[in-house]
Amino acid sequence: AQSVAQPEDQVNVAEGNPLTVKCTYSVSGNPYLFWYVQYPNRGLQFLLKYITGDNLVKGSYGFEAEFNKSQTSFHLKKPSALVSDSALYFCAVRDRNDYKLSFGAGTTVTVRA
Amino acid sequence: DTAVSQTPKYLVTQMGNDKSIKCEQNLGHDTMYWYKQDSKKFLKIMFSYNNKELIINETVPNRFSPKSPDKAHLNLHINSLELGDSAVYFCASSHGTGGGNQPQHFGDGTRLSIL
Repeated sequence: AQSVAQPEDQVNVAEGNPLTVKCTYSVSGNPYLFWYVQYPNRGLQFLLKYITGDNLVKGSYGFEAEFNKSQTSFHLKKPSALVSDSALYFCAVRDRNDYKLSFGAGTTVTVRA
Repeated sequence: DTAVSQTPKYLVTQMGNDKSIKCEQNLGHDTMYWYKQDSKKFLKIMFSYNNKELIINETVPNRFSPKSPDKAHLNLHINSLELGDSAVYFCASSHGTGGGNQPQHFGDGTRLSIL
């Protein structure tokens, strides 16, 4: 079985401040990990993924995520948030032996000017 | 040049009716998916097809029936619509066999409202 937890329903930050969105996962084997972003009335957009190798993954729009195997975490980060980063963010995991992608409940990010 | 397109974007209908949602992708992907997003934004996989073969069939009512006429199209037919079917339905596609590390590309959703 596989699952994802996003412990924060909402994250609020001021523009220019660092942004972190937390994610922890559970899989029986080795994971593929993904972050997606959803803007209002739109589908999910892929931001970045972890497959193997370097624990720090860089993605679109200045986002990055750090894979931590011992803590089973894959937190999303951005050094300097923009108002336009305000959206709903989903973490997702797939066990390498599974077809299904399991999503977290989502975290709403609000960046205030 | 929309990558994954769904029609219709909005669907408002009466309880008990039958409706279909269509999805097409022009990315050359082999695998397509249907997801349901409820009012709390939870995303749940419903079905997945790889090269017209059903590979994921989650526990959904058998009133929902997917059909894949070719690998670029995946349609969703819903019989005897119920109030609880109100949600946003997303189509997605990806390279490969459905497993693996390829990201999924999503359409913009079909907002289904049952009166």
